[in-house]
Amino acid sequence: EPEVTQTPSHQVTQMGQEVILRCVPISNHLYFYWYRQILGQKVEFLVSFYNNEISEKSEIFDDQFSVERPDGSNFTLKIRSTKLEDSAMYFCASSLGQANTEAFFGQGTRLTVV
Amino acid sequence: GESVGLHLPTLSVQEGDNSIINCAYSNSASDYFIWYKQESGKGPQFIIDIRSNMDKRQGQRVTVLLNKTVKHLSLQIAATQPGDSAVYFCAEAGGGSGTYKYIFGTGTRLKVLA
Repeated sequence: EPEVTQTPSHQVTQMGQEVILRCVPISNHLYFYWYRQILGQKVEFLVSFYNNEISEKSEIFDDQFSVERPDGSNFTLKIRSTKLEDSAMYFCASSLGQANTEAFFGQGTRLTVV
Repeated sequence: GESVGLHLPTLSVQEGDNSIINCAYSNSASDYFIWYKQESGKGPQFIIDIRSNMDKRQGQRVTVLLNKTVKHLSLQIAATQPGDSAVYFCAEAGGGSGTYKYIFGTGTRLKVLA
């Protein structure tokens, strides 16, 4: 069964450092998303991406965040200068269409900023 | 019910009993709703979805009910099994925002007692 894969599973970084979280969405999917989940809290939308551009972003997704689809298979989330409060699980998701189609989530990357 | 931070509402059921997990959604314009299951350390896993033109949808051992009048969604799990133990999130999407980002609820922890 096709799945969304994310690497690494766990990333520890020092405050102020840049991190890149990587995702390989399901191959025929067209819409890509990043969500995050702070420990014990609900999953929060960060950004959606379609046709090589950001479709929508939340207020969390500020100038420190960026996304890229550098080739036909990878989808990355970059945090330029990490803060302690960026520590969370980051989930990548993809969907075939936009309206009323389920999004498939990856297993997540646990980011710990120290 | 609602909860903040680490204190998720918890539902404890005996193995073999039916479970009902409730969710209140926020946007009356949302037109697509999904239930996800999240096991510890894993990403959200799709369970079942429902469109706003339906009141009820059944899957294997699961049923989702939608009451648009009171903006309420429920997930019924028949003959609950130990493997059903997880946190369950409802999510809403659509609502005219332009993209189908998911807005997740707080989550309910289901504990299945042997």
